[in-house]
Amino acid sequence: DQQVKQNSPSLSVQEGRISILNCDYTNSMFDYFLWYKKYPAEGPTFLISISSIKDKNEDGRFTVFLNKSAKHLSLHIVPSQPGDSAVYFCAASGGTSYDKVIFGPGTSLSVIP
Amino acid sequence: EAGVVQSPRYKIIEKKQPVAFWCNPISGHNTLYWYLQNLGQGPELLIRYENEEAVDDSQLPKDRFSAERLKGVDSTLKIQPAELGDSAVYLCASSTSAGGHADTQYFGPGTRLTVL
Repeated sequence: DQQVKQNSPSLSVQEGRISILNCDYTNSMFDYFLWYKKYPAEGPTFLISISSIKDKNEDGRFTVFLNKSAKHLSLHIVPSQPGDSAVYFCAASGGTSYDKVIFGPGTSLSVIP
Repeated sequence: EAGVVQSPRYKIIEKKQPVAFWCNPISGHNTLYWYLQNLGQGPELLIRYENEEAVDDSQLPKDRFSAERLKGVDSTLKIQPAELGDSAVYLCASSTSAGGHADTQYFGPGTRLTVL
């Protein structure tokens, strides 16, 4: 049973436009969410996080939005750049396993020049 | 600052053979993780160490997988014997233990295992 879902395996966006990556979770005990970015042949790298006490967190071109009632979060990248082309993993933690991170299956983003 | 180091980067073995992966975490990181990543999926935790203690090994298939972190620094993950279904990328990550919510994990490049 997947607790963290990323229903879009892939996404293509034109350079300069907005990229929106979506993530849904099923465990209502999750209270901390992270996004990791992965280039081919490299390990994932931390991108941005958000606590459940917030509904938005922004870091430069990256903004994460959290809708707790819908158990949904999204990552916005504005403007998208070719170097953003990578696999993006949504991850969550909380409840009795507050320090254990559950990863989603990832969304492959392609930013077209 | 050096990142998480893993070796080998690639390994091809025949089924039923043993294999071992090595990980050296970032200096000062007392928490170490081993993950399994299958194609098209996210990393799945196999085992987590706090210093030399395995604090979560619930997802480690203990009939064939073993791990150790004897001095609380580098770690080895072993599979014996390997099966075809073990073909995957094995990721190592490390973090500090600041407590509270999940700490940011720093991943190594992974070892891609192919079992023939």
